[in-house]
Amino acid sequence: AQSVTQPDIHITVSEGASLELRCNYSYGATPYLFWYVQSPGQGLQLLLKYFSGDTLVQGIKGFEAEFKRSQSSFNLRKPSVHWSDAAEYFCAVGNMNTGFQKLVFGTGTRLLVSP
Amino acid sequence: DGGITQSPKYLFRKEGQNVTLSCEQNLNHDAMYWYRQDPGQGLRLIYYSQIVNDFQKGDIAEGYSVSREKKESFPLTVTSAQKNPTAFYLCASSIDRGAGGPYNEQFFGPGTRLTVL
Repeated sequence: AQSVTQPDIHITVSEGASLELRCNYSYGATPYLFWYVQSPGQGLQLLLKYFSGDTLVQGIKGFEAEFKRSQSSFNLRKPSVHWSDAAEYFCAVGNMNTGFQKLVFGTGTRLLVSP
Repeated sequence: DGGITQSPKYLFRKEGQNVTLSCEQNLNHDAMYWYRQDPGQGLRLIYYSQIVNDFQKGDIAEGYSVSREKKESFPLTVTSAQKNPTAFYLCASSIDRGAGGPYNEQFFGPGTRLTVL
């Protein structure tokens, strides 16, 4: 069965510094990969997605992610973090082999931004 | 504006009561989903529905029930059989063409926080 691992529960980054959030997945076929962001008490917003093609994908709010098949990873990056980026970030893998479009989520990484 | 609405935002339930969480979408999406979110556990799928009048159990369906009488609506009932219902509940929808179609992203509502007193 597919699974997603986000090894960092919390990460603290200084405002203006670069950010990388880690995501590793387990899936037998070519994965559909997503990063979502959640502000406290809110729903999830899609940052970016990878379906195929270029392994470096650009998203909203200046985020990007790189798909590395050899490492089964899909890490999220941002060159310069803003205080408004403080939120929880979820990586997810999509599976169409179940007969419907199932998403499996990681446990999330909470990003704290220090001044 | 198209989107997903969930109501209420906060809900309090006494032990032994059933409560129903509302989810409505005006995106004309075929598929709708209910997730439960607990701290440190990510999102877990409760139920999903690909078309009207059809729905399937997800990974943690015990103690929950749903209906899908209209394309726009997918209410979730948390029954008294759910032993630990305190959680944040998220509804989502997508254009779901099933296993044979392209993958489509899921759009999420703002959530309902349920607390058992």
